[in-house]
Amino acid sequence: NAGVTQTPKFQVLKTGQSMTLQCAQDMNHNSMYWYRQDPGMGLRLIYYSASEGTTDKGEVPNGYNVSRLNKREFSLRLESAAPSQTSVYFCASSERQGRDRGANVLTFGAGSRLTVL
Amino acid sequence: AQSVTQPDIHITVSEGASLELRCNYSYGATPYLFWYVQSPGQGLQLLLKYFSGDTLVQGIKGFEAEFKRSQSSFNLRKPSVHWSDAAEYFCAAANYGQNFVFGPGTRLSVLP
Repeated sequence: NAGVTQTPKFQVLKTGQSMTLQCAQDMNHNSMYWYRQDPGMGLRLIYYSASEGTTDKGEVPNGYNVSRLNKREFSLRLESAAPSQTSVYFCASSERQGRDRGANVLTFGAGSRLTVL
Repeated sequence: AQSVTQPDIHITVSEGASLELRCNYSYGATPYLFWYVQSPGQGLQLLLKYFSGDTLVQGIKGFEAEFKRSQSSFNLRKPSVHWSDAAEYFCAAANYGQNFVFGPGTRLSVLP
């Protein structure tokens, strides 16, 4: 059981280049997420997809686009990379837990380290 | 606004010593509460979670956390730290059906 798989693990871009981070989960989770992690700032939500066919903005969506390709896959695209987008990106998926099934418990991928020069 | 704070940016303990990492939340109602651990170069792994009921929650790797409503806290504890526990620890909270709010993290160093 692979869980959440992200590719690539490392990427270096020049300012203005574009790229797509790929994410796939094999746990049959409905919801998927993209976070970025920066020193001292914890994790910040970029975009999420509550279910196949839907996407919504998180806390820091500017400069990013997402595609929920199917239930398994959720990609994050940087159309014109900027140095401020240098970060570690995490994909996650979630299932509802708890007696009232109100808690989205996240399972994370290993991360993708992106450097924009 | 909903928030999660972890007052300690960095903690250093000796191997075998006890550990307590602090977490406070600011929510209108008691949220679901979580602790995640991130080893260097890795993703986040769920240590434990609190939904309701017993305020002392047991997790993996010998960790436990205690929910205290009166203090809006959910502190993580371990009686005896191992060198492999060196990592970054994140507290997180979420309301019903809503997205997580993460704290800034506490980095734990373990001295031999």
